[in-house]
Amino acid sequence: GAGVSQTPSNKVTEKGKYVELRCDPISGHTALYWYRQSLGQGPEFLIYFQGTGAADDSGLPNDRFFAVRPEGSVSTLKIQRTERGDSAVYLCASSLIPLAGVGNEQFFGPGTRLTVL
Amino acid sequence: AQSVSQHNHHVILSEAASLELGCNYSYGGTVNLFWYVQYPGQHLQLLLKYFSGDPLVKGIKGFEAEFIKSKFSFNLRKPSVQWSDTAEYFCAVRAGTGGYNKLIFGAGTRLAVHP
Repeated sequence: GAGVSQTPSNKVTEKGKYVELRCDPISGHTALYWYRQSLGQGPEFLIYFQGTGAADDSGLPNDRFFAVRPEGSVSTLKIQRTERGDSAVYLCASSLIPLAGVGNEQFFGPGTRLTVL
Repeated sequence: AQSVSQHNHHVILSEAASLELGCNYSYGGTVNLFWYVQYPGQHLQLLLKYFSGDPLVKGIKGFEAEFIKSKFSFNLRKPSVQWSDTAEYFCAVRAGTGGYNKLIFGAGTRLAVHP
């Protein structure tokens, strides 16, 4: 597709449940990023993939959060034992190359709004 | 740790007024700087970016930003706003070491332009 796509657009779940959020990056983009945006805040970095490997997962808040990108394209963010505080918009972004310079700008998807009741 | 501060959380302007949104970052090394915009119901879009060279950067829709290294600032400006500029604006920095590839965002400034 032309842009980054994310599914579902909205997800409502109950406290304690498991959820998966999917991201399809722009074709050919090797770098993929997950961010979380809480109400009234800017996006907050969670994890960055270069190819299939997680190059930086320092933003994951705890071990309930996990992300994979097995074939270097689509990525899934997985949240176990969801808590009400996990409610936020989860954003995915991709970039052509991860290094500095022109071409490393990140293109964002529309996000998945997660609500934990 | 690196951080980004946007001083104005809400700005209300009339059409044709001039706009300046403040952004300050905390990092002493090489940075890449960005302004993103989120129109109502849409996803984040890049307005403009600074990597190196001329500190006055021009972006889309008549926006510009000036990188002032001595002030750690990257303020966004537009000489004459339009109703269609109503949106939320985010300043972001990519720092040079230890987390080079992630963006650190400010909390955003919500701009409302009245006709």
